[in-house]
Amino acid sequence: EIVMTQSPGTLSLSPGERATLSCRASQSVSSSFLAWYQQKPGQAPRLLIFGASSRATGIPDRFSGSGYGTDFTLTISRLEPEDFAVYYCQQYGRSPRTFGGGTKVEI
Amino acid sequence: EVQLVQSGAEVKKPGESLKISCKGSGSNFTTYWIAWVRQLPGKGLEWMGIIYPADSDTRYSPSFQGQVTFSADKSISTAYLQWSSLKASDTAMYYCARYSFRAAAAPLGFWGQGTLVTVSS
Repeated sequence: EIVMTQSPGTLSLSPGERATLSCRASQSVSSSFLAWYQQKPGQAPRLLIFGASSRATGIPDRFSGSGYGTDFTLTISRLEPEDFAVYYCQQYGRSPRTFGGGTKVEI
Repeated sequence: EVQLVQSGAEVKKPGESLKISCKGSGSNFTTYWIAWVRQLPGKGLEWMGIIYPADSDTRYSPSFQGQVTFSADKSISTAYLQWSSLKASDTAMYYCARYSFRAAAAPLGFWGQGTLVTVSS
């Protein structure tokens, strides 16, 4: 199975700052089938990005995704208070689908 | 609007059986793959597998093959996750989620609220 490794484990930033989250796959991810999810405490995850760089419906444009092959990045251009959460990457090109361990973005 | 509503929290003893549900509404439930995702307390997301409600085709992650069973009743737009003999290590939040697209490969665009399963003697 494809192992997804996210870094850093925790990112300590302030509102207004830029956040850069990394996700590395142990094998090339087919056709950029890479998604990012946001999860806040006590809530279900929410899809942010799919296809490595396409924003899901209703996702603000301060969220952007990039990358190809084995290295992917989620960037939050200017952190809003509601963006402090845990972020997961997921590859959905090969079975079994797999998630990264998550990056917590904290104040 | 697509909604997935999961059954309520459960408290069970080791060795007991359990079946939790995920009811869909809105856009055609049966022709999208439904995934089950586990989240252990304080941990990350784990892919358990998927079911296609229209014909109950299932694909299990190797880590969960033989440990759980997926099923679906398309007449009531509901998917199920069941255990025949629970263990304390099954204590977790379980989410169902629907593929965003009618495709073999798609992200999870719609999520249920989660069902907390607690297994304790």
